[in-house]
Formats: sequence, structure tokens, C-alpha cells
Amino acid sequence: AQRVTQPEKLLSVFKGAPVELKCNYSYSGSPELFWYVQYSRQRLQLLLRHISRESIKGFTADLNKGETSFHLKKPFAQEEDSAMYYCALIGGGGNKLTFGTGTQLKVEL
Amino acid sequence: KAGVTQTPRYLIKTRGQQVTLSCSPISGHRSVSWYQQTPGQGLQFLFEYFSETQRNKGNFPGRFSGRQFSNSRSEMNVSTLELGDSALYLCASSSKNGVGELFFGEGSRLTVL
Repeated sequence: AQRVTQPEKLLSVFKGAPVELKCNYSYSGSPELFWYVQYSRQRLQLLLRHISRESIKGFTADLNKGETSFHLKKPFAQEEDSAMYYCALIGGGGNKLTFGTGTQLKVEL
Repeated sequence: KAGVTQTPRYLIKTRGQQVTLSCSPISGHRSVSWYQQTPGQGLQFLFEYFSETQRNKGNFPGRFSGRQFSNSRSEMNVSTLELGDSALYLCASSSKNGVGELFFGEGSRLTVL
């Protein structure tokens, strides 16, 4: 069975501080991993995916197969980064996403 | 391009009733997925339809069903409602090549009394 674990329900950081949102996964094959974000009063939206290896809004995430992790990082947090972040994986065909329980990031001034 | 549209946005039902929720995907998207979001269980996959065929199914009882029409619009139905079915039901669409890149609607909030 596939599983995504986000150990922190809430992460509070100061503006300008580094951010790391943790995500660990369990899947027997080669998963595709994603980070989704939901800003206040907005729809859930894709932030980034591991296969694209992009930096979106200053965020990056590296897939570590040895540690089965896909942590989301940003060197300097901004106030507009405050949101709910969900890590998700796809194992197998189609769009069956397994989501973690989410981490609420709060960036304080 | 219009986003994913879900109707109704809010509804209240009583136990034992049934409900039908509707989802219009982004134009050109043929994959439509449904998720249930609750404070206790988070986001849970219900099912996915692609070109009118159910492509994936989550671990929900048979009371939860869905279908997709030839224009890619989708509906989900929950019969014999239970209190625990109270949730935000999210629909998401995806293009043929956008595996995992889901575009979500605002959701339909169902309250079962």
C-alpha cells in the first residue's frame, strides 16, 4: 500500500528564515511525487513535481529514494508563502493521488 | 480558460437521502478525479474517470458512485447518506499528458444531518 507522511501539522517560521517541510513516503515501486499548495481562500493547486526538477516560487524538492523522502525547501521564507502544503504521490497508472495530511506553514514577520 | 466548476457549492441533506454532485472540467481535459476531504482523514481519493471509463477507484463503499459523460463532465452520487459522509468533495481535472497535474475545483460542501 502507498502512504505519504507529513509529520508536522503546523510549521511556524520567521520571514527570511529557511523553510523545510518534511514528507516521507512508502511505496514499493517508483513513485511520482508532487507538492500541492492551498493558499487562503484559493483552490488546491500544484506547486511542483519531482520529475520536472524545477524551482517554483523559490521552492525546491529533491527525491531521496534511499530515505524515501521528498522534503520541500526554500532558503528564505516570505509572508506570501503562508499556506497549507500537501505532499502527494502517484504509484501506477492514472491520476490516483495519495495525499499526506498536510502541513500548515505560517510565516511570521 | 475557465477553471473546474463544481455544483452545488453547498448542500445539506439528512441521513438516508442521496446526493448528486456535478463537475465540469477544464475544456479539453478528459480525466476527472474526485476526492473527499475531511478534517480527520484529509484528502482521500474516490475515483477517476477518463473518456467515460472508470480508470481508478479508491477504498470507499459502493454507496459512492460516479460517471462521466461524453463531454467529460462528471457526476458523483452518494446514496443512503450517513453522518460521516459530511465532507468537502473536490473534483479535479487533468489533461491527457498531465499525469499528476490536477486542476481542482472549489469543492462541494456536503453536510449530513
